[in-house]
Amino acid sequence: EVQLVESGGGLVKPGGSLRLSCAASGFTFSNAWMSWVRQAPGKGLEWVGRIKSKTDGGTTDYAAPVKGRFTISRDDSKNTLYLQMNSLKTEDTAVYYCTTFYTAPYAFDIWGQGTMVTVSS
Amino acid sequence: QSALTQPASVSGSPGQSITISCTGTSSDVGSYNLVSWYQQHPGKAPKLMIYEVSKRPSGVSNRFSGSKSGNTASLTISGLQAEDEADYYCCSYAGSSFWVFGGGTKLTVL
Repeated sequence: EVQLVESGGGLVKPGGSLRLSCAASGFTFSNAWMSWVRQAPGKGLEWVGRIKSKTDGGTTDYAAPVKGRFTISRDDSKNTLYLQMNSLKTEDTAVYYCTTFYTAPYAFDIWGQGTMVTVSS
Repeated sequence: QSALTQPASVSGSPGQSITISCTGTSSDVGSYNLVSWYQQHPGKAPKLMIYEVSKRPSGVSNRFSGSKSGNTASLTISGLQAEDEADYYCCSYAGSSFWVFGGGTKLTVL
């Protein structure tokens, strides 16, 4: 079964850091371009950033609101995706999903269940 | 990149058809046939319903269809059913490996 499972969410103070993980199974993780998408409470979906497969360069790109504060990385030996979040702001409060395109080109057809990050003093 | 523009809400009665629009720019929707649509029920992860403007993933009902004209994409749901009540989001590839989502549309089945 193709599956993504996020973990690592929680409560953190403004200015703090948190690292999210996303464990993949059921597909060739090393070939996948992986993205993080977030959803603030009662709001819409927001693409956060993406890491390419190592064969495609392994490069990362980020949405403007998180660039310079968030870092996406991957460990293909562990089939795991990471999101390191630094200098967190209250507006980063959201459910964070990891996602990828598996059978649909450039569309996100595999999603995790999400992990909640709350930034509050 | 700015979010794509969707109506905040639409509604329809069972059996009717509804259409949700998604307006972007010549840099995203207008430039790529890579518009996708997602259905999200409360507390659940999004589910892909349409990709590459008009293609349906395996298992998605043929009551769901997509189209695009210029900078605007559309999702049509025919034969509305109670279980279609959900939030719907469009998404477009925006070049340079960036994606942009719409603000979301709440569909109410009356």
